[in-house]
Amino acid sequence: DTEVTQTPKHLVMGMTNKKSLKCEQHMGHRAMYWYKQKAKKPPELMFVYSYEKLSINESVPSRFSPECPNSSLLNLHLHALQPEDSALYLCASSQTGALSYEQYFGPGTRLTVT
Amino acid sequence: SQQGEEDPQALSIQEGENATMNCSYKTSINNLQWYRQNSGRGLVHLILIRSNEREKHSGRLRVTLDTSKKSSSLLITASRAADTASYFCATDVYNQGGKLIFGQGTELSVKP
Repeated sequence: DTEVTQTPKHLVMGMTNKKSLKCEQHMGHRAMYWYKQKAKKPPELMFVYSYEKLSINESVPSRFSPECPNSSLLNLHLHALQPEDSALYLCASSQTGALSYEQYFGPGTRLTVT
Repeated sequence: SQQGEEDPQALSIQEGENATMNCSYKTSINNLQWYRQNSGRGLVHLILIRSNEREKHSGRLRVTLDTSKKSSSLLITASRAADTASYFCATDVYNQGGKLIFGQGTELSVKP
C-alpha cells in the first residue's frame, strides 16, 4: 500500500472554529510532513516529524498545532485561523527524515477560512 | 531564498513533442527530485538524482544534473495529453535531513 490518505477533502471554517486535519499512511514510513500550498505556488514546508518527534517547525504560527499520535498518523489542529490561511494542505511521508528520500503525498485538504 | 528557479513558468506543446524544463538552485545538495502535480491534487514523485549522478532515466523521463552550475533539467519525450500538469523540482537542504525546498514550478500543457 503506497497511499497516503487525508481527511477531510474540503473544509470550510470560521475564524473562531477549531478543526483538525488528519493524515494516515501504512507504508512503515518514519517521517511525516505537513505542507501548505497556495494557488499556482510551490508547496511550503510547515512541519516535519521524524520517528514521531517534531524535528522541524518552519516558524509556523501557533494557530497551527501538529500532532503525531503514532507512526502512521499525523494531525494538524487548527484554531483561530485567518482568511489568508486558506490553502491546500498536503501531508507527505518518507522512509526516514534523516536523509532525503522520495516523499509520498496525500491528495490534500482544501481549506477555506471565512 | 533557497528556493530554486524553474523555467519556463509555462510551456504549451503538441502531443508527440518533447518537453524540457529547467531548474536552478542555490545551495549544496545531496539530491534533487522532480515531482508532478495534477491540478489541485497531491504531488507524485517522478525521479530522484543524487549529487554524484549526472543523468538518470525513467521511462520517457530523462533528468540531468550539473552541480557545478547548480542546475537540472527534466526532459519528457513523446509527450501525451495526460502529461499536462505542473512540474516541480525539489532540493534537499544539506544537513537538514528530510527538508525539501520546491522550485516555483513549470505548468505544462500538452494539446492533443
